[in-house]
This record gives sequence, C-alpha cells and structure tokens, in this order.
Amino acid sequence: AQSVAQPEDQVNVAEGNPLTVKCTYSVSGNPYLFWYVQYPNRGLQFLLKYITGDNLVKGSYGFEAEFNKSQTSFHLKKPSALVSDSALYFCAVRAGNNRKLIWGLGTSLAVNP
Amino acid sequence: GAVVSQHPSRVICKSGTSVKIECRSLDFQATTMFWYRQFPKQSLMLMATSNEGSKATYEQGVEKDKFLINHASLTLSTLTVTSAHPEDSSFYICSARDERGNTEAFFGQGTRLTVV
Repeated sequence: AQSVAQPEDQVNVAEGNPLTVKCTYSVSGNPYLFWYVQYPNRGLQFLLKYITGDNLVKGSYGFEAEFNKSQTSFHLKKPSALVSDSALYFCAVRAGNNRKLIWGLGTSLAVNP
Repeated sequence: GAVVSQHPSRVICKSGTSVKIECRSLDFQATTMFWYRQFPKQSLMLMATSNEGSKATYEQGVEKDKFLINHASLTLSTLTVTSAHPEDSSFYICSARDERGNTEAFFGQGTRLTVV
C-alpha cells in the first residue's frame, strides 16, 4: 500500500537555526514527491518537488529537500529558520501516472524568536 | 505557478440548507480537480475527484448525494453540500493540476463552512 509518514507532529526550532521536517514514503514505482506549506485558514502553497534528476531540490522561501532512494525519504530543510516559517507542512507522494496524491499527516513547525 | 481560486472563503449557513463552493483554475485548463476536507489540525482527506464532462469519482465513505460535484467546464468545478448539518462544518479545499506539463497540484484558498 502507498503511504507517507511524517513522524513528528511538531518541530520546534529557534530562529536562525537550521530546521528539518522529516518525511518517508512507500510507493510502488517511481515516486513524485512534494512539499506544501499551509498557513492558518488558508489553502496549501507548493514549496518544492522531486520528479527526477538531482537528489537535492531547491524550492520557495529558501527551502530545500533531499531525495534519498535507499532510505525512501524526502526530508525538508532550511539552513536558517525564520519566525515567519511557522506553519503546517505536508509531504505528499504520487506514483507515476497515478492522479491521486497520498498525504502525510502534517508537521507543525514552530520557530521561536 | 498556476492559480486556483476558491470561493467563498468563509460561509455560515443554517441546518438543512445547501451551500455551493466554487473552484476555478484561472490561467490553465483542468480536466481534473480534487476536493478535500480538512478537520482541525489534521491532514487532508480526499473526498472526490472531479472530472470535466463526466461524473465525479468519490472516495469510499463519502456520500455522493450529499456532496454534489459538477465539473461543467475546463476551468470550473463546484461542490454543493446539500441539506447541511453541523457535522458538515469543516474546511474544504480544492486543487487542480495544470496537465500541460506541471506535475504539482495547486490549491484554492479553502472554504471554512460553519453550519449552525
């Protein structure tokens, strides 16, 4: 069965420190991997994706993520966190031509001043 | 990126009435749109896949007669919550993918429905 796991409900980090939000996945076939961010009472904003090519992908707002095939992971990272990064982050995966996205449960990121 | 507009952003209705939520792709055509429901502090629950010109595909456990979906054009899908009850109160979000080449989905702003 296809699934996405975000093992941490909440991540706390001090402003200026690096942050990591974890995501692992299980799909059959080549995965298309995505990260989205959601601010309160808003829809989701696309951050970045991995389809093929370089394992390290860079996205919006200084975020990046590394695709690790052997560990089936796609962790979201940022070198220096901002208070404004505080939000809910979702990892999602789609297997090839499948139209549906499989979603993680989300990780709430709190960046403390 | 592509823009998806959802309207209204917030609606309050009385029990027993129906509410229509619109989802528009503003700068691309979408043969497929997705409707999600999100409970507080929870992930997205896919309700149905809206297919232009044909019937929507509902996920297991979602009442198709209660959540009517119409995708009459390549830029508009609507979700109508019929005979709404307080337990239908939730955050509803639509998304669409520009299938010309983009692989990511774009989301509307969401609709906060409160049934009183």
